[in-house]
Amino acid sequence: DAGITQSPRYKITETGRQVTLMCHQTWSHSYMFWYRQDLGHGLRLIYYSAAADITDKGEVPDGYVVSRSKTENFPLTLESATRSQTSVYFCASSDLGANYGYTFGSGTRLTVV
Amino acid sequence: QKEVEQNSGPLSVPEGAIASLNCTYSDRGSQSFFWYRQYSGKSPELIMSIYSNGDKEDGRFTAQLNKASQYVSLLIRDSQPSDSATYLCAVNIRGGTSYDKVIFGPGTSLSVIP
Repeated sequence: DAGITQSPRYKITETGRQVTLMCHQTWSHSYMFWYRQDLGHGLRLIYYSAAADITDKGEVPDGYVVSRSKTENFPLTLESATRSQTSVYFCASSDLGANYGYTFGSGTRLTVV
Repeated sequence: QKEVEQNSGPLSVPEGAIASLNCTYSDRGSQSFFWYRQYSGKSPELIMSIYSNGDKEDGRFTAQLNKASQYVSLLIRDSQPSDSATYLCAVNIRGGTSYDKVIFGPGTSLSVIP
């Protein structure tokens, strides 16, 4: 199906475990983004990517790692999950970058116990 | 720290009334401004973008931008119960030597009462 898809939709993991959230888009958009959404903080940018093999930090990158070996995929890895990383994670993409609006995936609700 | 601020609400308006949502931002270099709508449990959806001072209309939605005052607003005319959602203001932040990125305000919860 065309669009931007995230997997899994829901994930429960234990403190200290590594977990990877997947994001896949079929539009060949150059730009991709990872946000987390928490009550009281709204959407905060974790990492973004302007093209394959080009990534940069956002507002809250600590504890996260990204890669972008292919244009269509932008996985987000929590190297050692902590309870403070319990959140809803949204992936987004854009063909023209930050000045033209994004399309968001459906989100991944991650709970770290 | 670049910031985007919104009244958290909830804002309640009767059906058929005009809902007015406000947003201020701190980065004077911002060039692009967006309004997203987010229904409970869903992802944000882009509904308006505005780049120049003044008004931009799209159906029942009007976005207003005043760069001198660092202020952007969204008016929803003839509000419907289906407009009940959280509205997120978003602003691009110039990256300097890096890439531009977008930061979001905390959102305003709107409730349209039948």
